[in-house]
Amino acid sequence: AQKVTQAQTEISVVEKEDVTLDCVYETRDTTYYLFWYKQPPSGELVFLIRRNSFDEQNEISGRYSWNFQKSTSSFNFTITASQVVDSAVYFCALSEDGSGGYQKVTFGTGTKLQVIP
Amino acid sequence: GAVVSQHPSWVICKSGTSVKIECRSLDFQATTMFWYRQFPKQSLMLMATSNEGSKATYEQGVEKDKFLINHASLTLSTLTVTSAHPEDSSFYICSAVGLENGYTFGSGTRLTVV
Repeated sequence: AQKVTQAQTEISVVEKEDVTLDCVYETRDTTYYLFWYKQPPSGELVFLIRRNSFDEQNEISGRYSWNFQKSTSSFNFTITASQVVDSAVYFCALSEDGSGGYQKVTFGTGTKLQVIP
Repeated sequence: GAVVSQHPSWVICKSGTSVKIECRSLDFQATTMFWYRQFPKQSLMLMATSNEGSKATYEQGVEKDKFLINHASLTLSTLTVTSAHPEDSSFYICSAVGLENGYTFGSGTRLTVV
């Protein structure tokens, strides 16, 4: 069974600080996908990144960066120079690659990030 | 990019009535759609998986007679909450999967049963 753990329930930072959101996952599959989503107060899920299990290269997109380490089953997300607009709940998620193609996405419990001006 | 339209965005209904939520893929064919439920300040929990033209597969603990799912076409899946009760009040969100698009989530429906 697949499982995603986000140990940080809530994080508060002052604007312009860097912040890292942790994500640890469990899966028996060798092929899987990892995701990060942002959920602002309005409720919709905003897709941030998808990474497959064979691509361990770290990725940077503007102020966002992701550190994927299979050795520790972690897929951490860092926001550099945080802004008030970054305040939201962030979900890490995992999907195993089944024989029929895409499988269900299992979400972590989310980390609520509050950026204080 | 791929877009999934979910309607309504919010709905208030009386206890005992039924509510239908639509999930529509606008620019791609969705072979599979997933329905999730999210209680306040909690994570998204998968309710069921629906494939076009076949019966939905429900997760353990989800009442299939209460949460009716119909995936009649490659672009539309509906979730009907039958005989709604206040405890069904929640945020419902769908996800559509296309061969080339991966997962695309709808904007969600906030259901309040009074």
